Amino acid sequence: DAKTTQPPSMDCAEGRAANLPCNHSTISGNEYVYWYRQIHSQGPQYIIHGLKNNETNEMASLIITEDRKSSTLILPHATLRDTAVYYCIVRFDNAGNMLTFGGGTRLMVKP
Amino acid sequence: GAVVSQHPSWVICKSGTSVKIECRSLDFQATTMFWYRQFPKQSLMLMATSNEGSKATYEQGVEKDKFLINHASLTLSTLTVTSAHPEDSSFYICSALDRGGEQFFGPGTRLTVL
Repeated sequence: DAKTTQPPSMDCAEGRAANLPCNHSTISGNEYVYWYRQIHSQGPQYIIHGLKNNETNEMASLIITEDRKSSTLILPHATLRDTAVYYCIVRFDNAGNMLTFGGGTRLMVKP
Repeated sequence: GAVVSQHPSWVICKSGTSVKIECRSLDFQATTMFWYRQFPKQSLMLMATSNEGSKATYEQGVEKDKFLINHASLTLSTLTVTSAHPEDSSFYICSALDRGGEQFFGPGTRLTVL
């Protein structure tokens, strides 16, 4: 699986949009971009994933650049409960493939 | 969504004892489950891949005789930390793979070895 690079930490004001970047310049054509988050002392939680097109669900939006070498996870209105470590992972979308976690971005949402 | 549970959620044991951690997929069958370990302020590290009815596959550097994995049914995998020592103290997380290839994570088990 391709490696990803994320900033180690970010701050965001409560109620504002949190934009978390991820670089995956070695991504191959059939690798997906996945985002998970881990709130302190809990297991990772799936957020969203995409291949080429931008995706949106009830939790977040995922913007993937046209060359697919980077992406941004957007939390439109961050709350204190969004404080967590956010992991960007690229992987082939086939059964049986384990997830390889990098360092992630520690997002701190402040009042 | 699919739910994965772990038991216990936390455990404290004496050095030299063995500890068993259970991972259950509650509403789906999982032929494959993964075990991760996470030390404080670090990322998750894959320890082993557990396949129902066969031997687990361990990552490099993980002792298979120390971390015994049993995946006897499609909804249960167990990790036994044998002869635990303080350096085994960590947050152990399992995940289960559903038929669609998606992974769902358990809430984790915090092990403290005194």
